[in-house]
Order: sequence, then C-alpha cells, then structure tokens
Amino acid sequence: QLQLQESGPGLVKPSETLSLTCTVSGGSISSSSYYWGWIRQPPGKGLEWIGSIYYSGSTYYNPSLKSRVTISVDTSKNQFSLKLSSVTAADTAVYYCARLGYDFLDYWGQGTLVTVSS
Amino acid sequence: DIQMTQSPSSLSASVGDRVTITCRASQSISSYLNWYQQKPGKAPKLLIYAASSLQSGVPSRFSGSGSGTDFTLTISSLQPEDFATYYCQQSYSTITFGPGTKVDIK
Repeated sequence: QLQLQESGPGLVKPSETLSLTCTVSGGSISSSSYYWGWIRQPPGKGLEWIGSIYYSGSTYYNPSLKSRVTISVDTSKNQFSLKLSSVTAADTAVYYCARLGYDFLDYWGQGTLVTVSS
Repeated sequence: DIQMTQSPSSLSASVGDRVTITCRASQSISSYLNWYQQKPGKAPKLLIYAASSLQSGVPSRFSGSGSGTDFTLTISSLQPEDFATYYCQQSYSTITFGPGTKVDIK
C-alpha cells in the first residue's frame, strides 16, 4: 500500500524559508505514470494547489505562488521536497503531499501543520 | 485561473437522505473534475474522478455526473460516516479546488 509522509519544522519565522519533505513508501517515486504534488490548507479554510514534480525533475507551479516555490525530487531516497520562501502569517497552513495520478490526487499524506510566527 | 464554485456551502441532512452537491466551473473543463471527502483533522479522500468514475473502494452510494461547466455529486442514501466536507477539483488547467460543502447532521 502506497504511503506518503510529510516531515519538517512546525514553526517558521516570518521572511524565512519553509522546507518540507515527503517520503514515499510502498512504491517508487520514479514510476512513469505519476506526478507528485503539494497542497496546503489554512486553518478552517479550503485547499490550495502549490505545485507538482515528475521524477525527471519537471515541475508545475501554481502561478500565484510560483515566485516563491521550489519543488525538487530525490529518487535515491524516494522523496520530494517543498521550499517556500519569504513566508508570512498567510502561509500558515496544513501542508499535504500527494500522488497525482493522471489528473487526480489519489494518495495523500496525513498533513503537517506549519505555523509562521516570530 | 479557472474558478470553481460549490453550492450549497453547507447543508444539514439526516441518515438515509439523498444529498446533491453542485460544482460549477468558470469555463468549460470537459470532464476534468474530481470530488474529495474530508473529515476533520484528516487528509482529503478521492471519491470520484473524471466527473463520474468511482474510485476503487468507495461505496456505490456516491456518484458523480456532469461535463463542461456544471457537475453534481450525489449521495444516494446518507450514512453516518458521510458527514464531512466535500470539495470539487478541476484538472483542466492549473489545479484549483472549490470552496467546499459541509454536510452535517440535521
């Protein structure tokens, strides 16, 4: 059974860079059929797509976040990562990683809350 | 960006009720529409993909329909475990989600 697990600091200071890693188990991140993505959800609010990456390194980003987002992949560790720069309180959210199968998100991590505060 | 709207934003229903949630796209998205269920403190769960295809393991009381700009999620007979928030999501262009519909107990 495929599993995804987010990890990283739960607290980030304003203006700094948020960094999270998603570890995939029970399957290979190098599968040719899938992209791997990041989604976030501010407390009590809806879902926002951040971006996705293919195992080759090809990326797609939400235009509204593109200037601050970098997604990378490490196939040797079966992991992919998110970096979001210049964070503010508006970036406080639960961050999810997920598998993008064709055009839908079929496997999700449990999510990790990142709070931006000094 | 393609904007997604959902109606209603919330509804109250009883076990056994038939529930219908509507999702509308700001432009045609063909059948590139998916539905998710989210319970408090949990990740979203895929229910329906490509507008009407039932994800493996999802009960058959869930169904989806529509194409173009208007889509519907129907729960034929609401069960206690179905009380949750439901989101639509388009993948025709940069992924966007609807604002959600919360289904709670009447």
